[in-house]
Amino acid sequence: SQTIHQWPATLVQPVGSPLSLECTVEGTSNPNLYWYRQAAGRGLQLLFYSVGIGQISSEVPQNLSASRPQDRQFILSSKKLLLSDSGFYLCAWSPLLTGGGYEQYFGPGTRLTVT
Amino acid sequence: GDSVTQMEGPVTLSEEAFLTINCTYTATGYPSLFWYVQYPGEGLQLLLKATKADDKGSNKGFEATYRKETTSFHLEKGSVQVSDSAVYFCALSDNKGSSNTGKLIFGQGTTLQVKP
Repeated sequence: SQTIHQWPATLVQPVGSPLSLECTVEGTSNPNLYWYRQAAGRGLQLLFYSVGIGQISSEVPQNLSASRPQDRQFILSSKKLLLSDSGFYLCAWSPLLTGGGYEQYFGPGTRLTVT
Repeated sequence: GDSVTQMEGPVTLSEEAFLTINCTYTATGYPSLFWYVQYPGEGLQLLLKATKADDKGSNKGFEATYRKETTSFHLEKGSVQVSDSAVYFCALSDNKGSSNTGKLIFGQGTTLQVKP
């Protein structure tokens, strides 16, 4: 069966510090990968998605970047955090598909607080 | 563009009450529809799905029917429990063959609170 891991689970970082959040998927190959942010009490905002190694699409211009160095690894980074980067970050995967319509499976999330 | 609209929350019910959370969508083509549930401090879990018109998705006592004529996918449960307290998200995935991004479009979420 497939599993998705995120770490760390929680993180408190000062403004201006760098960020690296990691997501890995097990039990599948060539997944599509996604990063979402969820601000407190609000809905989901898609930040980045990737359909293959080294292929990153950005949904919202911002202070963050993403990379996919391996097939099942997805990293979210920032060089200098802002207060507005605080939130709950969720990674998700879906099967590689040709016609659409497949569900996404989410990781447990990382709670980031920027102080 | 495609969009999903959910009823605003919070929804507060007593245990064993009947639940309906409304969801309507706008989409070109023939989307697949999903309900996700998020318990406090956790990621989203897929609750149920439907991939074509008139399909009924069901899981853990919850069900939703894909109604193309009303562009709706309302979530229902006959008797809610305290443990059902969570945030519920409706979502759609377009099935356009030219795209393989698999992106989902989510509603804003509806908070359900069930009191004993």
